[in-house]
Amino acid sequence: GAVVSQHPSRVICKSGTSVKIECRSLDFQATTMFWYRQFPKQSLMLMATSNEGSKATYEQGVEKDKFLINHASLTLSTLTVTSAHPEDSSFYICSAGPPLGGGGEQYFGPGTRLTVT
Amino acid sequence: AQKITQTQPGMFVQEKEAVTLDCTYDTSDPSYGLFWYKQPSSGEMIFLIYQGSYDQQNATEGRYSLNFQKARKSANLVISASQLGDSAMYFCAMREGVTGRRALTFGSGTRLQVQP
Repeated sequence: GAVVSQHPSRVICKSGTSVKIECRSLDFQATTMFWYRQFPKQSLMLMATSNEGSKATYEQGVEKDKFLINHASLTLSTLTVTSAHPEDSSFYICSAGPPLGGGGEQYFGPGTRLTVT
Repeated sequence: AQKITQTQPGMFVQEKEAVTLDCTYDTSDPSYGLFWYKQPSSGEMIFLIYQGSYDQQNATEGRYSLNFQKARKSANLVISASQLGDSAMYFCAMREGVTGRRALTFGSGTRLQVQP
């Protein structure tokens, strides 16, 4: 199957700083990427839908000024957690798809574990 | 309202036996897709199996099969001949609509533990 990468896989930052997470589709182009958040022992919750060349659509309760999403190309979306606080510590996972010209496949990245101290 | 319900927080199964993980869903959209993912402790989401709402036959992928009962709105995952490496969290998910451009909605998950 297709490959989606995330970088970094793990990051520790201090409260008040910003962290950028990259999501790349390595062998296909995707017009849509999704960002999910997963707290310990919980399920994945959709944060936002990122469409190439347009503004992201955020789910209710997700602060768009805090979680900045940029989808500058068909293979790259970034999530920036601004002024991070300990409650933002979580596992962030992106998914990409469907591939241009493909079916309904969704491919997940390996996730980024963010710890805010 | 919950769109995806997994009522089994945890399940135990003996190695080499079969196990069924339950999933029920709720949607008014006639077009939808149902997915099962495995999430080991590393956190990656591993795609297991997919069933489209218009698929006539139950999906199968190796040791995984999806028992799709449309009228009951259930999409249970059956794992045959369980292996120790099957121990993980399992999530049922649904995507509504005909295009692939909608996000998945996940259930709360079932933790499966395979015992030797």
